[in-house]
Amino acid sequence: KAGVTQTPRYLIKTRGQQVTLSCSPISGHRSVSWYQQTPGQGLQFLFEYFSETQRNKGNFPGRFSGRQFSNSRSEMNVSTLELGDSALYLCASSFGTSPSNTGELFFGEGSRLTVL
Amino acid sequence: GENVEQHPSTLSVQEGDSAVIKCTYSDSASNYFPWYKQELGKGPQLIIDIRSNVGEKKDQRIAVTLNKTAKHFSLHITETQPEDSAVYFCAAHSGGSQGNLIFGKGTKLSVKP
Repeated sequence: KAGVTQTPRYLIKTRGQQVTLSCSPISGHRSVSWYQQTPGQGLQFLFEYFSETQRNKGNFPGRFSGRQFSNSRSEMNVSTLELGDSALYLCASSFGTSPSNTGELFFGEGSRLTVL
Repeated sequence: GENVEQHPSTLSVQEGDSAVIKCTYSDSASNYFPWYKQELGKGPQLIIDIRSNVGEKKDQRIAVTLNKTAKHFSLHITETQPEDSAVYFCAAHSGGSQGNLIFGKGTKLSVKP
């Protein structure tokens, strides 16, 4: 069974540009969550989608957005990039409606974004 | 909202020794507490989890304890091995279909041969 796939794995952008990251969840998983990982802040929750609807959103500015398609694949977009957006962006999928009901989040290997 | 504190941020032990990582949470409604291990260049992977109706759970060399009254939970690794070297994250989730996992900032564990 294929795991969570994130593309691209690495990318370099300059300030002011925008970027789109893609996540393909494990087959059958309907929930997709996005996290930003930085050395100082650990894993910070961005947003979660379930059946194409955003259920939760973390404390990030409106420059960060996402969506989920009918096949559960998800994308996140960051507009007007800032130097501080440099981070590893992790996508995670789960089968059910809630981590506390279904247990495990399965993470991808992440997309490492560098903003110059 | 939920806040998770994790200590220590770095931990170095000799092979064969035990390692303990501690976390506290703020939301008394939280009822699910997983631990993730992240190896270099990879995404976090679940290693053990515990629910609020259980005080302790073991899986071979790994155990997790939960004290709901004090709102803290701990990861115990016995007989550590070099392959245990990684970053460990604790997390907490409040009940219901809403909400999300809130992670601690991680503990970098180094096991010296």
